[in-house]
Amino acid sequence: SQTIHQWPATLVQPVGSPLSLECTVEGTSNPNLYWYRQAAGRGLQLLFYSVGIGQISSEVPQNLSASRPQDRQFILSSKKLLLSDSGFYLCAVGTASTDTQYFGPGTRLTVL
Amino acid sequence: QKEVEQDPGPLSVPEGAIVSLNCTYSNSAFQYFMWYRQYSRKGPELLMYTYSSGNKEDGRFTAQVDKSSKYISLFIRDSQPSDSATYLCAMSAQGAQKLVFGQGTRLTINP
Repeated sequence: SQTIHQWPATLVQPVGSPLSLECTVEGTSNPNLYWYRQAAGRGLQLLFYSVGIGQISSEVPQNLSASRPQDRQFILSSKKLLLSDSGFYLCAVGTASTDTQYFGPGTRLTVL
Repeated sequence: QKEVEQDPGPLSVPEGAIVSLNCTYSNSAFQYFMWYRQYSRKGPELLMYTYSSGNKEDGRFTAQVDKSSKYISLFIRDSQPSDSATYLCAMSAQGAQKLVFGQGTRLTINP
């Protein structure tokens, strides 16, 4: 079974600062990778997904971007954070064969 | 109208009660149905996975899918305080490679 690592676990950043969140996966190859955001008391919002290296699909237009430089590495970035970027960011791994997804421990981001 | 509807609760029941959590959906192409459990400040964990219609049982948990009514349920028997969490339903169409989630139901089991 796969293991999903996310770091940092928590992050407090000022408005206008850059962001880089990293997700790495062990125990699987060629996974589908996903970035979600969960605002306080809200559901999961799919931000980006990737079916392979360099292949990124954006679900929500905003000031965030994603990259997949390696098969099992997925990065979420922003050049300038907004207050509305605060939330719980979750990386997930899926396989094309089962349509299930498994989530990492998440990064809690607070933008002040 | 959202593609997946789930009552956000909160739902509070006494320990030992049978809990019923539900989702309705509008897309008849959905074939894969999942329930996730999310404890506070943690990532969701996959609890139950069902393909197409029918029932699936795992210990105290039973998942039901009624495709004709576009309705899925999760039953928790002999509920425990450790079952207190947010439960999210999720579903997908074959080959979609994306899940559509319900908003989640916040459940509290009172000792």
